[in-house]
Amino acid sequence: AQTVTQSQPEMSVQEAETVTLSCTYDTSESNYYLFWYKQPPSRQMILVIRQEAYKQQNATENRFSVNFQKAAKSFSLKISDSQLGDTAMYFCAFMHFGNEKLTFGTGTRLTIIP
Amino acid sequence: NAGVMQNPRHLVRRRGQEARLRCSPMKGHSHVYWYRQLPEEGLKFMVYLQKENIIDESGMPKERFSAEFPKEGPSILRIQQVVRGDSAAYFCASSPLQGAGTEAFFGQGTRLTVV
Repeated sequence: AQTVTQSQPEMSVQEAETVTLSCTYDTSESNYYLFWYKQPPSRQMILVIRQEAYKQQNATENRFSVNFQKAAKSFSLKISDSQLGDTAMYFCAFMHFGNEKLTFGTGTRLTIIP
Repeated sequence: NAGVMQNPRHLVRRRGQEARLRCSPMKGHSHVYWYRQLPEEGLKFMVYLQKENIIDESGMPKERFSAEFPKEGPSILRIQQVVRGDSAAYFCASSPLQGAGTEAFFGQGTRLTVV
């Protein structure tokens, strides 16, 4: 079974700074997908970024980028120029290729300080 | 294109009552997933359904919980004889394809409180 570990329960940074959230996972599979989801106080789950394991290039979406280290089974999220609206819970998630269910980590509560 | 719609947003039930949670997937999506989020935890997979079929129910408790996705109408997650431990946020997600790692779009969840 796959497991996803987020070792930082809480983080806080000043507005405009850069922050990196950690995620490690465990799987015996070679084909899979990794995701970062954001959950603001509204509870809505919002996809931030997605990475296919077969792609060596790290995914980027505007201020959000990942550092995907397949051999180390590490998938960290970097948020540049952080904004107050980035305050939320962030969940790392794993999906095995061909199996649609997501396995989530326990989340990191990120607070951006004005 | 309306997103994934869940209702009700909040549901209060007394112990022993039944809870029925509804999920209407995005238009054109035929795959529905239910997840449960306990306080201060991540989401846990419960069940994956296609129209009129349960594909994977490996995360469903063996008793009192059931799910369906009929040919017409929303997907329903049903919890019979609720207990305090069922209090949680229940999320529904939908996607258009299977096996492609496509994005699952989430609803806003139903917060169930058992008193």
